Amino acid sequence: AQKITQTQPGMFVQEKEAVTLDCTYDTSDQSYGLFWYKQPSSGEMIFLIYQGSYDEQNATEGRYSLNFQKARKSANLVISASQLGDSAMYFCAMRELLNDYKLSFGAGTTVTVRA
Amino acid sequence: EAGVAQSPRYKIIEKRQSVAFWCNPISGHATLYWYQQILGQGPKLLIQFQNNGVVDDSQLPKDRFSAERLKGVDSTLKIQPAKLEDSAVYLCASSLVLASTDTQYFGPGTRLTVL
Repeated sequence: AQKITQTQPGMFVQEKEAVTLDCTYDTSDQSYGLFWYKQPSSGEMIFLIYQGSYDEQNATEGRYSLNFQKARKSANLVISASQLGDSAMYFCAMRELLNDYKLSFGAGTTVTVRA
Repeated sequence: EAGVAQSPRYKIIEKRQSVAFWCNPISGHATLYWYQQILGQGPKLLIQFQNNGVVDDSQLPKDRFSAERLKGVDSTLKIQPAKLEDSAVYLCASSLVLASTDTQYFGPGTRLTVL
């Protein structure tokens, strides 16, 4: 079964606008971590933001925020004030004890920022 | 703090040849990972080391792939002989510990093309 689902293969956003990338996950573990990574065309996987399953507050890192809805098992990434340099592939990922802390990735969402 | 280093960045070989990739993790990181990323997909874990011991290599095609981390720091991944379907980006990552809360940091990757 798919552990991480990203239903949006590609999205376009206007520069300076906000964009939300969807991510739902599947786990029966109580303790798990959710991560978002950015992968530009250069290929490097860049860590953006982390949310722990016990964290009550939504994580924020600069222009990135994570909309964590535990009961719905969703962890959407919000990028505010989009910039041209935000054009990249974005991956949602999860680590859980039941999977020996291996990082499970979704299929990714391609974001293209238009000027 | 220096990030995860990988070399080479690009490699083109013919099928049935052998190739090796090198990774140097972030200083002090006990856990090291090798991923294979086929174009358009999320990374797939090949092997995971904790210090110099293998934690998980269930997804490593052991008839042609091998990896080692002899002194618990640097690691090499080898493919011998290469097949066309091995064309991919090979990503190395490291993390401080093995836990759901711990972030994996990735290197720039090695883009392998098998002709």
